[in-house]
Amino acid sequence: DTEVTQTPKHLVMGMTNKKSLKCEQHMGHRAMYWYKQKAKKPPELMFVYSYEKLSINESVPSRFSPECPNSSLLNLHLHALQPEDSALYLCASSPLGQWGTSGANVLTFGAGSRLTVL
Amino acid sequence: GENVEQHPSTLSVQEGDSAVIKCTYSDSASNYFPWYKQELGKRPQLIIDIRSNVGEKKDQRIAVTLNKTAKHFSLHITETQPEDSAVYFCAASSGLVTGGGNKLTFGTGTQLKVEL
Repeated sequence: DTEVTQTPKHLVMGMTNKKSLKCEQHMGHRAMYWYKQKAKKPPELMFVYSYEKLSINESVPSRFSPECPNSSLLNLHLHALQPEDSALYLCASSPLGQWGTSGANVLTFGAGSRLTVL
Repeated sequence: GENVEQHPSTLSVQEGDSAVIKCTYSDSASNYFPWYKQELGKRPQLIIDIRSNVGEKKDQRIAVTLNKTAKHFSLHITETQPEDSAVYFCAASSGLVTGGGNKLTFGTGTQLKVEL
């Protein structure tokens, strides 16, 4: 299995709802990432987990809450979102290896969850 | 932090022609430069990458060149085909962050259109 799988593909939620995005990979990658992508813009890093521990939080508002329950799963819990949070949320994973080694630390992206906040 | 500029924002070529997309980066510590292709509604897919100990890398119709002194790198696509039409993003990274993980900074993207 060489894919990163994200569910749901589409999500519509109100500003008072609580929902979660899920990401799964079975490539043995020990780093997992959440990116946010607005239309016609590049992906923007939100969070990085390494060995199931949060290593980067790019000053993301607390209404986004990441969770990495095990080495294959990554969740993004959503609460009290704003309409401007509507975007494509991309999950990615990478193997952790010696920097410079071929294939090490190369990101593989999932297809994304398209979120609409009403 | 790192800043990556990408040009042009849109590029239209005739099928069979070559396409060149250029990126510049600001952080001299950056040493890994991947290129991702993103078709409409699809995931970004790695098409080629280069590390700073190499000046050029080729994979069939795709090549990337790196000039560390000038801090710029370029994607070259030869014999373009309609299926090459997509948005292309360059990115740069200076290595593993404290705690682990590869922090990529992306360029703004180039919409490539290959016309018949």
